[in-house]
Amino acid sequence: SAVISQKPSRDICQRGTSLTIQCQVDSQVTMMFWYRQQPGQSLTLIATANQGSEATYESGFVIDKFPISRPNLTFSTLTVSNMSPEDSSIYLCSVEVVGGMNTEAFFGQGTRLTVV
Amino acid sequence: LAKTTQPISMDSYEGQEVNITCSHNNIATNDYITWYQQFPSQGPRFIIQGYKTKVTNEVASLFIPADRKSSTLSLPRVSLSDTAVYYCLVGGYNTDKLIFGTGTRLQVFP
Repeated sequence: SAVISQKPSRDICQRGTSLTIQCQVDSQVTMMFWYRQQPGQSLTLIATANQGSEATYESGFVIDKFPISRPNLTFSTLTVSNMSPEDSSIYLCSVEVVGGMNTEAFFGQGTRLTVV
Repeated sequence: LAKTTQPISMDSYEGQEVNITCSHNNIATNDYITWYQQFPSQGPRFIIQGYKTKVTNEVASLFIPADRKSSTLSLPRVSLSDTAVYYCLVGGYNTDKLIFGTGTRLQVFP
């Protein structure tokens, strides 16, 4: 299993500013994933973060808007840059753990971002 | 990654068995089928995973027909606390990323 600590849990930010979200895992993992979930919607993958290399972004997401750091195998940050109200959402980090019978994803509690 | 299709919502009553079916017509040979549960203000939580036939654990069963183009999550005797969104995902074992579909919003009534 994996325990993920994500912070902040919520924030209210002014448009045009940036927010950095931190994700700490209690074990070493190769890949960490960042998702966005808008109210009442499903999760959308933003990017995959590998330690020691640049993150891989999904269609519609770019590094200038969502820079990601992955300094070691237990930690990652996602920055939401130059925020607008459209960035108001829940952001979640995730890791996958391969067990004996299953590959299981674990998620942080999420960061609820409101941009005003 | 194979796309999945599931009902947007379902209603049930406490004590009933709930079956949620997911279609994944383009599932690949090495893809597994995994179901997650999400409560409001929480991240998704793993429920069950399977490759073929039937898998059962302490909370659910997963039925997968021989052609693997669909799967059914079965929740026995649901309670109010089972009210949540249920996501069906397909991907390779130790896949590099999870792509979530729309999910099924299950509402359990007393």
